[in-house]
Amino acid sequence: EAQVTQNPRYLITVTGKKLTVTCSQNMNHEYMSWYRQDPGLGLRQIYYSMNVEVTDKGDVPEGYKVSRKEKRNFPLILESPSPNQTSLYFCASSSLILAGGEDTQYFGPGTRLTVL
Amino acid sequence: GENVEQHPSTLSVQEGDSAVIKCTYSDSASNYFPWYKQELGKGPQLIIDIRSNVGEKKDQRIAVTLNKTAKHFSLHITETQPEDSAVYFCAASKGGSGNTGKLIFGQGTTLQVKP
Repeated sequence: EAQVTQNPRYLITVTGKKLTVTCSQNMNHEYMSWYRQDPGLGLRQIYYSMNVEVTDKGDVPEGYKVSRKEKRNFPLILESPSPNQTSLYFCASSSLILAGGEDTQYFGPGTRLTVL
Repeated sequence: GENVEQHPSTLSVQEGDSAVIKCTYSDSASNYFPWYKQELGKGPQLIIDIRSNVGEKKDQRIAVTLNKTAKHFSLHITETQPEDSAVYFCAASKGGSGNTGKLIFGQGTTLQVKP
């Protein structure tokens, strides 16, 4: 089954304790992205990756890091989490964005993070 | 910067009625407009999308219309059913070469269909 998986689904942590949220897709997609969802704000892009070893900032990258060492994985790293990073996080993937081509983004189930 | 405004934020309809959700976008270069449905505890799922060379697209009970001149697009759900109850998001992005793939999302509409 084609899917995007995230782990963990729920996480409660304390300020300053480094954490990693994993994301994996089995669709051989080049493009992967992280979003955070907050009430009244919709989804906002944190980071994205066009391919292996190619990453770039989205709209709200502060406090986050990513890496793309393999095509299927795109982990989100919070080096020193703070309470304002309490949110619902989604990973998404799609095939390479081409003119008029397939660019539907498929989302994972989400990770609810609480930073105390 | 790029912005997508979505209205209404909540919508309650009787089963069988129609529901309409509207979005406006600011970047005239946007040319891809997907709609996502998010059920409780799940990630957003694409339900329909439209590209700027098309004015309307239908898929069974759902349809999307696009007015590029006015920079707005709408989702129409006919004969609503209780299982249509969810949060709906519109989004916009710029397709084509050089596209970063970034989707700009609206704020979301919580649709409640009453039996």
